[in-house]
Amino acid sequence: GDSVTQMEGPVTLSEEAFLTINCTYTATGYPSLFWYVQYPGEGLQLLLKATKADDKGSNKGFEATYRKETTSFHLEKGSVQVSDSAVYFCALRYSSASKIIFGSGTRLSIRP
Amino acid sequence: EAGVVQSPRYKIIEKKQPVAFWCNPISGHNTLYWYRQNLGQGPELLIRYENEEAVDDSQLPKDRFSAERLKGVDSTLKIQPAELGDSAVYLCASSLISGAGTDTQYFGPGTRLTVL
Repeated sequence: GDSVTQMEGPVTLSEEAFLTINCTYTATGYPSLFWYVQYPGEGLQLLLKATKADDKGSNKGFEATYRKETTSFHLEKGSVQVSDSAVYFCALRYSSASKIIFGSGTRLSIRP
Repeated sequence: EAGVVQSPRYKIIEKKQPVAFWCNPISGHNTLYWYRQNLGQGPELLIRYENEEAVDDSQLPKDRFSAERLKGVDSTLKIQPAELGDSAVYLCASSLISGAGTDTQYFGPGTRLTVL
């Protein structure tokens, strides 16, 4: 079945460091891919998305490119801030359905 | 605009006791979802409503879980009786367009349930 695998955390970085959180997926079709973020005490929020191969989603300095050949959707940010500390979830969803399949999440902590 | 509201935020009960969670979706959103998020895992869909109709409840453990969405607005998820393995965060989400894969789901902060 369809699934999402992302790197285990926690990931701890210093402020202004470069961030990569790896995400790979297994899918029988051609889903849209998403990154959600969960800040402490808050609900999940959509961070960015890409709907087809080679699309790049971007928001708040984060970006991820839909790579069909490697079935990946890695999240990157050039310079992280303390306020980026949160749990990040990679997910997939088909356009014909509303069900979202989430990865297990990666906790990111940024040191000042 | 108010987001998805859930209550309570935290609940601690003993096993075999009943428990209920409440969700108020974003105004105007006709689709409502309940997810369960186990510790260290991503959310998993339990049930989806379009208005007052449950259109996907295939992942809901029906022997002890029940849900309702009277009048197609607020929703309640109930567990009776609760088991130790039910300890998790229960998330509610809503979206504007029913069944559309491109529509954004907005999540509430969740209810953290601990069963002792």
